[in-house]
Amino acid sequence: GNSVTQMEGPVTLSEEAFLTINCTYTATGYPSLFWYVQYPGEGLQLLLKATKADDKGSNKGFEATYRKETTSFHLEKGSVQVSDSAVYFCALSASGGNYIPTFGRGTSLIVHP
Amino acid sequence: EPEVTQTPSHQVTQMGQEVILRCVPISNHLYFYWYRQILGQKVEFLVSFYNNEISEKSEIFDDQFSVERPDGSNFTLKIRSTKLEDSAMYFCASSEFGEAGANVLTFGAGSRLTVL
Repeated sequence: GNSVTQMEGPVTLSEEAFLTINCTYTATGYPSLFWYVQYPGEGLQLLLKATKADDKGSNKGFEATYRKETTSFHLEKGSVQVSDSAVYFCALSASGGNYIPTFGRGTSLIVHP
Repeated sequence: EPEVTQTPSHQVTQMGQEVILRCVPISNHLYFYWYRQILGQKVEFLVSFYNNEISEKSEIFDDQFSVERPDGSNFTLKIRSTKLEDSAMYFCASSEFGEAGANVLTFGAGSRLTVL
């Protein structure tokens, strides 16, 4: 079956630090990969996506590259801000799961000024 | 920006009681979903709904659960007789396309259910 594993949180950083949140996956077929973000009191919202190997998704300074050889989709940002404090979810959808997205447990990011 | 609306935001109930969680999906979306997240655990898929019927459901979605689209806008999740282990955050989501690879969901803010 499909599954997503992401690093445990919380991740605590100072403003302007470099961020990496690791995500690896197992999937039947060729998955599309996603990062969603959940700000306090809000629903999950799409941050970025990539639909095929070597694609790079990017948005709001965040990037993730679809690595088929390592089955990974790590989220990175060069310089985090306090406003990036949120919970980040890695997810995939694939034909093997009828395209119903499978999510990880989420990684909480706390950025201090 | 269109959004998915969920009510209530928090519900506390006694074990054995029935609970109905309500959602208003985005109006032009055709696919609707319920997920849940028990504290500290993964966001788990419960059920998807398309064309007025369940299209997929997980092992979690047993006979205690049901979904309904009673009118043109609401999408509800009913838990018939709640158990302690049903305590979780329940997320409703909708999408425009159910297939084609990049199935992007729009989520509501969630309904936190606490069963005592």
